[in-house]
Amino acid sequence: DGGITQSPKYLFRKEGQNVTLSCEQNLNHDAMYWYRQDPGQGLRLIYYSQIVNDFQKGDIAEGYSVSREKKESFPLTVTSAQKNPTAFYLCASSRRKSLQETQYFGPGTRLLVL
Amino acid sequence: GNSVTQMEGPVTLSEEAFLTINCTYTATGYPSLFWYVQYPGEGLQLLLKATKADDKGSNKGFEATYRKETTSFHLEKGSVQVSDSAVYFCAPGGEYGNKLVFGAGTILRVKS
Repeated sequence: DGGITQSPKYLFRKEGQNVTLSCEQNLNHDAMYWYRQDPGQGLRLIYYSQIVNDFQKGDIAEGYSVSREKKESFPLTVTSAQKNPTAFYLCASSRRKSLQETQYFGPGTRLLVL
Repeated sequence: GNSVTQMEGPVTLSEEAFLTINCTYTATGYPSLFWYVQYPGEGLQLLLKATKADDKGSNKGFEATYRKETTSFHLEKGSVQVSDSAVYFCAPGGEYGNKLVFGAGTILRVKS
């Protein structure tokens, strides 16, 4: 079955630690996205990538970094510079980066700070 | 850029009641319009979409009509079920690289 997988489902971060959230898709989609969801709020865009080896900042990129070395993979690193990282993180992909395209979402990773 | 105003929740209904969740948007060009649904503890999934004015998107008994004159895309269902309890997000797409903007989400709770 085609789809998007995210791991782990839950992730715990200690103070000053960098953590990496995994996102993999086998849909052969060009575009991938990372969103952050806080309780009772909509989704906010962190980073997006239209093609391999290219990515752009979204609305809340500070304290985060990404890479896109393979079409299938778009990992997100939450760095120690992100002072309030507790949230639900959602990865998505679309066939291409057109906002007329449907976005397909992974099941999410919940990040908690110890 | 695009923006969206979505009906605040939570919306609490009894099973078999009629549902309307309002959504109005601003966008440049002629965007596709989407409703996504998020079940507890999961990611979002597309519920329905419409790509041009007067189109009606439908899925699982839910419907929404693209109203360009009122810039609205209200979600309706004639008879809700307990399994419809979820958070519903309205999102206008757009041309020319505008970011996909999600509404804040409307929590729907259906009681048996």
